Amino acid sequence: GENVEQHPSTLSVQEGDSAVIKCTYSDSASNYFPWYKQELGKRPQLIIDIRSNVGEKKDQRIAVTLNKTAKHFSLHITETQPEDSAVYFCAATTNGDSNYQLIWGAGTKLIIKP
Amino acid sequence: DGGITQSPKYLFRKEGQNVTLSCEQNLNHDAMYWYRQDPGQGLRLIYYSQIVNDFQKGDIAEGYSVSREKKESFPLTVTSAQKNPTAFYLCASSIGSSGGDEQFFGPGTRLTVL
Repeated sequence: GENVEQHPSTLSVQEGDSAVIKCTYSDSASNYFPWYKQELGKRPQLIIDIRSNVGEKKDQRIAVTLNKTAKHFSLHITETQPEDSAVYFCAATTNGDSNYQLIWGAGTKLIIKP
Repeated sequence: DGGITQSPKYLFRKEGQNVTLSCEQNLNHDAMYWYRQDPGQGLRLIYYSQIVNDFQKGDIAEGYSVSREKKESFPLTVTSAQKNPTAFYLCASSIGSSGGDEQFFGPGTRLTVL
């Protein structure tokens, strides 16, 4: 089955700098990779996702890159702001599988230092 | 943040008791999910349902039970067989169940066993 590893578990960056969180997956058939953000005491919310037919996707200050050969994908946040402080989760799934489920990484706590 | 609700927000249980966590959605979503979240870990799938009157076990279903009698409701019962039930429980729904659909989360229920 699919296994998703996420690194680092904690990331501290200076406000205004960039942050990068990386995830690796094991199932080469996986083709959908979302990223969720969970602020303290709140529910996870989708911030960006990518499908296996593209290598990169951007939405303002956030971007996700996918390397299918190496089976890893990364979240990039530029010009970090205090409101970016949260726990970020990556996930992977096989689209169309009758037993589909999202397999989640363990999360990265992002701390933005003022 | 409407659309998917969970109750109660906090729940205390004595050992040996069964408790039921409520999850309701008005998004007309076909699929619903229950996750367990423990500190430092990702989301672990307990049960999911792709359609009314049908559900499948996730990775950690032992000690839990669910029902899906209505499209909008997916209650989770934590039974006395669950050895370590203290955790944060998140319910989610998605429009489809074939994968690649955004999951919308409820606010969560924090269960504590006394």
